[in-house]
Amino acid sequence: KAGVTQTPRYLIKTRGQQVTLSCSPISGHRSVSWYQQTPGQGLQFLFEYFSETQRNKGNFPGRFSGRQFSNSRSEMNVSTLELGDSALYLCASRETGAAGELFFGEGSRLTVL
Amino acid sequence: GQQLNQSPQSMFIQEGEDVSMNCTSSSIFNTWLWYKQDPGEGPVLLIALYKAGELTSNGRLTAQFGITRKDSFLNISASIPSDVGIYFCAGPNKPYSGAGSYQLTFGKGTKLSVIP
Repeated sequence: KAGVTQTPRYLIKTRGQQVTLSCSPISGHRSVSWYQQTPGQGLQFLFEYFSETQRNKGNFPGRFSGRQFSNSRSEMNVSTLELGDSALYLCASRETGAAGELFFGEGSRLTVL
Repeated sequence: GQQLNQSPQSMFIQEGEDVSMNCTSSSIFNTWLWYKQDPGEGPVLLIALYKAGELTSNGRLTAQFGITRKDSFLNISASIPSDVGIYFCAGPNKPYSGAGSYQLTFGKGTKLSVIP
């Protein structure tokens, strides 16, 4: 089975721009979560999607949004980028009903200048 | 919110040595997970623990779910250069019933360096 695939792997944006990141989960996994990883805050939960519905959202401003498509692929969007949004954005998928086994992609490294 | 405290933050060891790291919480966890992250990669699940007192091995790795359910330990025996990376403990922010939202809280990680 192919793993979780995230694109793009690296990107550079300037303040005020917006960015869209994409995630393809493992085949058959319907739950997709997004996490932000920074040196200072570590790994922090952004949101989780299941069957095209957002189930839960972490403590992030409304500039962070996401969606999930009928094929379980997910995108997250960050609008009006700030310097502090520079981070590794990780997508993870899991089987329905599976506790613990979150499978992560390699991440999208965003740098905001 | 829940917090997981990992120690040590970093460690340098000689190849062949055993390594021990731990994770503590002020609140009870029903599941403990240990992940490893290599540079430029996403975290990879090493061991999952679901029961207090459980001791689980995965090759040279052994992890234990503390009896109090507020801590967990990860041991690596006979370290090798490819053990280099950051090790994270994690747990769900609330008991998981098999349905509904699932969110993990992560520790800040233990950075392991192995000197050949």
